[in-house]
Amino acid sequence: QLQLQESGPGLVKPSETLSLTCTVSGGSISSSSYYWGWIRQPPGKGLEWIGSIYYSGNTYYNPSLKSRVTISVDTSRNQFSLKLSSVTAADTSVFYCARVSMLRGVIIDYWGQGTLVTVSS
Amino acid sequence: DIQMTQSPSTLSASVGDRVTITCRASQSISSWLAWYQQKPGKAPKLLIYNASSLESGVPSRFSGSGSGTEFTLTISSLQPDDFAIYYCQQYNSYLLTFGGGTKVEIK
Repeated sequence: QLQLQESGPGLVKPSETLSLTCTVSGGSISSSSYYWGWIRQPPGKGLEWIGSIYYSGNTYYNPSLKSRVTISVDTSRNQFSLKLSSVTAADTSVFYCARVSMLRGVIIDYWGQGTLVTVSS
Repeated sequence: DIQMTQSPSTLSASVGDRVTITCRASQSISSWLAWYQQKPGKAPKLLIYNASSLESGVPSRFSGSGSGTEFTLTISSLQPDDFAIYYCQQYNSYLLTFGGGTKVEIK
């Protein structure tokens, strides 16, 4: 059974860079049928797709966040990572890592449990 | 960018009711639409993909329809486990967009 687990600091100071890692187990991140993505959800609000990465390193980013986002992949560790720079309180969210399947359109079929990141001094 | 608008934002219903949620795209997305269910404190769960295809393991009371810019998610007979927030998501290209969500609450 595929599992995804987010890890990283739960508290980040304003203007700093938020960094999270997603570890994939029960399957290979190098599969040709899937991208790997990050989605966030501010407390009490809706879902926002941040971006996705293919095992080769090809990336797609949300245009509204593109200038601040970097997603990278480490196939040797079966992990992918998110960096979000110049954070403000508005970036406080639950961050989910996920598998983006291209087998049935482009949909999210596996999610991590989510991790709350608070931006505060 | 493609914008997704869901309505209503909140829906009050009773067990056994037929419930319909609408999602509109700002431009045509063919049938490239998925629906998710999210319960408090949990990650979303995929229900429907390609506008009308039921994900494996999802009860048949859930159905999706539509194409182009207007889509619906229908729950034929609402069950206690169905009270949750529902999101649509478009995938026209690899840039994904979610709708704002519809909360289905107990009447």
